Amino acid sequence: EVQLEQSGAELKKPGESLKISCKASGYIFITYWIGWVRQMPGKGLEWMGIVFPSDSDARYSPSFQGQVTISVDKSINTVYLQWSSLKASDTAIYYCARHKYYYDEADYWGQGTLLTVSS
Amino acid sequence: QAVLTQPSSLSASPGASASLTCTLRSGVNVAIYRIYWYQQKPGSPPQFLLRYQSDSDKRQGSGVPSRFSGSKDASANAGILLISGLQSDDEADYYCMIWHSSAWVFGGGTKLTV
Repeated sequence: EVQLEQSGAELKKPGESLKISCKASGYIFITYWIGWVRQMPGKGLEWMGIVFPSDSDARYSPSFQGQVTISVDKSINTVYLQWSSLKASDTAIYYCARHKYYYDEADYWGQGTLLTVSS
Repeated sequence: QAVLTQPSSLSASPGASASLTCTLRSGVNVAIYRIYWYQQKPGSPPQFLLRYQSDSDKRQGSGVPSRFSGSKDASANAGILLISGLQSDDEADYYCMIWHSSAWVFGGGTKLTV
């Protein structure tokens, strides 16, 4: 069974750093892309970026380029989304999702990680 | 102007059909895009429903009933998600998505009330 298990909810202060995770199981990890999607409170979905775990080829939305970093640890089938300095506007739910090809559908989704950034 | 525009809400009766539209910005030709549709219920992640490019290039999500179908309206430059035989469980937010200029783009979503 394909599963994407995301790390738990986080409460952080502005300026702090953070790395959240998405651990994949039930399929061959390095053969599928993993993307990240943001959903701000009460709002719609926004695509952030995507990575191919086999070679860590990462592509970013222009809106998020330079704001976040997507990385991979193949040894533990895990993809990360990282911030170096959080802002209150980063408060949102973050979803990871699996794609067979970067240009094709996201067929499985993680349960989401709620990030709250508040002083 | 957004690349993809969806009506913010739509209401329909149980047993009826609902047609959800996803209009592409002028200059972004619906004919060349695969349109992807997702359903999201409160407190849950999105679920892939289907993708539609043409009748010969379409895919249904795993376990998604056939009463969910896709089409295009070239005259309106829009993708359409048709839900027939509406059930109360279909009440959700629905998002369209395309791969455009090397990025995924979502519509703003339609809240369907049944």
